[in-house]
Amino acid sequence: DQQVKQNSPSLSVQEGRISILNCDYTNSMFDYFLWYKKYPAEGPTFLISISSIKDKNEDGRFTVFLNKSAKHLSLHIVPSQPGDSAVYFCAATLPGTYKYIFGTGTRLKVLA
Amino acid sequence: NAGVTQTPKFQVLKTGQSMTLQCAQDMNHEYMSWYRQDPGMGLRLIHYSVGAGITDQGEVPNGYNVSRSTTEDFPLRLLSAAPSQTSVYFCASSYGTDQETQYFGPGTRLLVL
Repeated sequence: DQQVKQNSPSLSVQEGRISILNCDYTNSMFDYFLWYKKYPAEGPTFLISISSIKDKNEDGRFTVFLNKSAKHLSLHIVPSQPGDSAVYFCAATLPGTYKYIFGTGTRLKVLA
Repeated sequence: NAGVTQTPKFQVLKTGQSMTLQCAQDMNHEYMSWYRQDPGMGLRLIHYSVGAGITDQGEVPNGYNVSRSTTEDFPLRLLSAAPSQTSVYFCASSYGTDQETQYFGPGTRLLVL
């Protein structure tokens, strides 16, 4: 029972264009969502997060959108750069817990 | 700060052998956890700890033991390794409050033959 789903295993985008990574979840009780980036042979690093009381959070080139009615989360990267090529994981947490539920990841490749 | 450190980086075991994966953090974080990453499965929680002396099971705890005698260290023990435990293991930590970012170590790649 996958509560957090990333249905696109991979995505290729031209440098300078927008990358949109998607994440769907099934549990309406999730109250905090995060995106992590992972390079090969390294641990995941935190990218951006959003609380369920918001619908958008922005940090430089990265914006996360939350649509609670659709139980859908997306990460926008504008403009995309070759250094953004990595695997991106979305994660969600329940109130009062410290446990993350991760999606399966999307491999982004930004073409120069 | 070194952050979250893990040793070893890579290990090969034979079925039935035991070993301990080490994890340490120097950020005075209360919450620590272990994940495994398998192809197509994302990161799955094995065990976690909300403070010294307190541990609990995650999503996939079978075959693994943990203990937390200090705030800094959270070792993961495989008592009798199985090929199904071939994976990449990540340790993570956070301050342990709600909606807190977790920081991950670099990972340990384990191959069980």
